[in-house]
Amino acid sequence: GAGVSQSPSNKVTEKGKDVELRCDPISGHTALYWYRQSLGQGLEFLIYFQGNSAPDKSGLPSDRFSAERTGGSVSTLTIQRTQQEDSAVYLCASSLGGVSSYEQYFGPGTRLTVT
Amino acid sequence: KQEVTQIPAALSVPEGENLVLNCSFTDSAIYNLQWFRQDPGKGLTSLLLIQSSQREQTSGRLNASLDKSSGRSTLYIAASQPGDSATYLCAVVQGAQKLVFGQGTRLTINP
Repeated sequence: GAGVSQSPSNKVTEKGKDVELRCDPISGHTALYWYRQSLGQGLEFLIYFQGNSAPDKSGLPSDRFSAERTGGSVSTLTIQRTQQEDSAVYLCASSLGGVSSYEQYFGPGTRLTVT
Repeated sequence: KQEVTQIPAALSVPEGENLVLNCSFTDSAIYNLQWFRQDPGKGLTSLLLIQSSQREQTSGRLNASLDKSSGRSTLYIAASQPGDSATYLCAVVQGAQKLVFGQGTRLTINP
């Protein structure tokens, strides 16, 4: 079956512009996660959605970052007023549920470059 | 705060050798540990998931062990092949569902 998909695969934007990154989880997976991978910080958690529960936003680095998940499926990560330090690969993952025993499956990522 | 460390940061071995990658974590209160591989410019591919109640998991030439009390996991790769060249990441899950990653081991298998 189809895995986690993300779009766009690459995004170049000018400093100060807003960007939207999209994630389509595996069908039937109720949990969705966003992570960021940057050279200096490694892989770090950003936000977690589980069903209709309030998302865990504890990893968002600033209030310029927000995410939503519509209809319990597709998710959009929005970065407002982008800065050069936002340049990174943004990875989305999904799992069967919010139980910690479930394996997380990752998408190919969106490489964001802020110039 | 949970910290995950992977040693070595890079490893280069000739084809056919057996090898071990190490992962350690500071807080033993984990739900599970997951090993991933990442090829250059690609996302993460899940290799093995070990639940906190388990001691090891095997998949083909890969075997992962978990010693929760000492905060250690190892990934054993048997009869290495050039196609095994990648970065290997371990990550642990605690109560907040999120994965906490190590910095990875960059593995190169020389033909």
